Amino acid sequence: DTGVSQDPRHKITKRGQNVTFRCDPISEHNRLYWYRQTLGQGPEFLTYFQNEAQLEKSRLLSDRFSAERPKGSFSTLEIQRTEQGDSAMYLCASSTVLYDEQFFGPGTRLTVL
Amino acid sequence: QQQVKQSPQSLIVQKGGISIINCAYENTAFDYFPWYQQFPGKGPALLIAIRPDVSEKKEGRFTISFNKSAKQFSLHIMDSQPGDSATYFCAANDDYKLSFGAGTTVTVRA
Repeated sequence: DTGVSQDPRHKITKRGQNVTFRCDPISEHNRLYWYRQTLGQGPEFLTYFQNEAQLEKSRLLSDRFSAERPKGSFSTLEIQRTEQGDSAMYLCASSTVLYDEQFFGPGTRLTVL
Repeated sequence: QQQVKQSPQSLIVQKGGISIINCAYENTAFDYFPWYQQFPGKGPALLIAIRPDVSEKKEGRFTISFNKSAKQFSLHIMDSQPGDSATYFCAANDDYKLSFGAGTTVTVRA
């Protein structure tokens, strides 16, 4: 039984560049969530999908951020024109429709120089 | 604005001792309260969770106490071990979104 996987694990980019992260949820999970965690803080909700539908987006998700989940399987989170304030750990989680338990992946650590 | 307030920010406990972490919330729409354990550089791992119709839940050395009227809940780690040294987050669920506390760093001294 494989857990949630995320790729890449680390990304260093220069300010103004675009970056894209990938999340593969647990295979039978049809809900997928993105969170952002800055140093010394708890994760903050960004958005979630049920199957391929994006059902909610946080106000934290500016128009530079876009997430997709084509065919209800893996998901991508893209950040355009990165800013230093985007430096954080981006976490993906998944769950089933029946249960509230969310299982997190290892995260992608983004550093914007 | 943090919807879940967590305390203390850090604590040190001797091996074999009890660690207690407290959380409080205001939003009565919260219907599920999980605790996560996180090691440096890793994602949060689900530890134990409770629903508001239950006052206590125990799994191994971990116990959640829940006080619905006070809108407070706490995690007790019994017989603390060095391997329990980590950051612990309480969270609360409202309509599939988890709101997390700021975390408590627990250090267990051998």
